[in-house]
Amino acid sequence: GEEVAQTPKHLVRGEGQKAKLYCAPIKGHSYVFWYQQVLKNEFKFLISFQNENVFDETGMPKERFSAKCLPNSPCSLEIQATKLEDSAVYFCASSQFRDNEQFFGPGTRLTVL
Amino acid sequence: GDSVTQMEGPVTLSEEAFLTINCTYTATGYPSLFWYVQYPGEGLQLLLKATKADDKGSNKGFEATYRKETTSFHLEKGSVQVSDSAVYFCALRNSGNTPLVFGKGTRLSVIA
Repeated sequence: GEEVAQTPKHLVRGEGQKAKLYCAPIKGHSYVFWYQQVLKNEFKFLISFQNENVFDETGMPKERFSAKCLPNSPCSLEIQATKLEDSAVYFCASSQFRDNEQFFGPGTRLTVL
Repeated sequence: GDSVTQMEGPVTLSEEAFLTINCTYTATGYPSLFWYVQYPGEGLQLLLKATKADDKGSNKGFEATYRKETTSFHLEKGSVQVSDSAVYFCALRNSGNTPLVFGKGTRLSVIA
C-alpha cells in the first residue's frame, strides 16, 4: 500500500497479559522500524529490520519484547507479560533504502491496566 | 551518544505571530536533521529536512537551516495559523546509523 498500516489502533491489556501489534510497511520498502512513544512525548527506538532480517535491535528490552518481519506477512511486535510501564504509543515506520526518509504509521496505543 | 535538545513547551501564540522553536543537537559525524509534526491523534509526518551544513529545509511556510557551527536546526514560520497547532519534533539521523533520534517535542497552540 501507499501508507504504513498499523493494527490495532488501540489495545488494552491487563498486567501480565500478552500484547501483539502489527505493521504493514509501504509496498517496496525494505526497512521497517519500531519506535515507542511514552508519556511526555519521548520517542525510543526499539528495533529495525531489513526485509526479514533484524538490522538493529539495540533498543529492544530483550526479556519481554520480540519482533518479526516474515515474507508476505505484516511485521509484528510482541510483548510477553506486559507491565504498566509498557503503556505507550508504538509507531512503525518504513523506508525504501537504509538512509531514505522514514514514513510513519498512525501508531498503536497500548494501555496496560 | 547522539542527542537532540529542543525548547520546552507549551508554546502559545496568536494567529499570524512569528514562530521559532529552538533545536540543538549533539552527534558524531555528519547527521541529517529533520522536523516532524504530530497533529492531535495522528502519527508523525515529516515537515522538512536538511542533509548537510547550510542546507535550508522548507515546507508549508516552515523553514529551518542546518547550522553546523552552532549545531542547531531552529524551526521558524513567519505567520502561524490555528491549523499549525500540533507537537513538533526535531530529530537527527547519523550517517550509517539509521534510527532517528528525537527531541522531546514542543507543543504549539495557536489561538485565533
